[in-house]
Amino acid sequence: DADVTQTPRNRITKTGKRIMLECSQTKGHDRMYWYRQDPGLGLRLIYYSFDVKDINKGEISDGYSVSRQAQAKFSLSLESAIPNQTALYFCATSAGGGETQYFGPGTRLLVL
Amino acid sequence: GEDVEQSLFLSVREGDSSVINCTYTDSSSTYLYWYKQEPGAGLQLLTYIFSNMDMKQDQRLTVLLNKKDKHLSLRIADTQTGDSAIYFCAESKGAGSYQLTFGKGTKLSVIP
Repeated sequence: DADVTQTPRNRITKTGKRIMLECSQTKGHDRMYWYRQDPGLGLRLIYYSFDVKDINKGEISDGYSVSRQAQAKFSLSLESAIPNQTALYFCATSAGGGETQYFGPGTRLLVL
Repeated sequence: GEDVEQSLFLSVREGDSSVINCTYTDSSSTYLYWYKQEPGAGLQLLTYIFSNMDMKQDQRLTVLLNKKDKHLSLRIADTQTGDSAIYFCAESKGAGSYQLTFGKGTKLSVIP
């Protein structure tokens, strides 16, 4: 089984809808991250969490919120989806600062 | 300018060596990574190098680091069609740092 899983893998939604992307990990890592990938732009950090009680904004947090429900679970919400949030979203985990990050398979989101 | 730069495309013939280059700007970077993304998949960690190393070899992969010029390269020997993917260079500031900064990715196409 994969160490980092994301659900759903694909999602189509309409402008204005609220959606949640979920991430689970079995690596026992404290740190979890959400990135988005746009063609030609690489990956950009949305939010990160050092532990259950610690949530921090990344480079592009506007329009997103997160919840760290447990050490193993970190969800990303789009409160009111807009078309420019169409992207590939990745969750990642790491054991600590400076440690290697391990990525989930990604969620492909299309906002119509 | 960009923190991490890569050329966007590279095309090689099967059996040849591929060299993917990356430059970065932050001299305090202590960890440098290469990730591979196959079509429709997440990011797979290929290898990483600490900034106090010049070279790291792992089977067909050779990473070279020129810290003076802030230049990182990934050489893939005997390139196969299964190596076709997007390769991302990323830097981390090291212990205590949360963030990976990614390049935009180099798309490697292997011609049979």
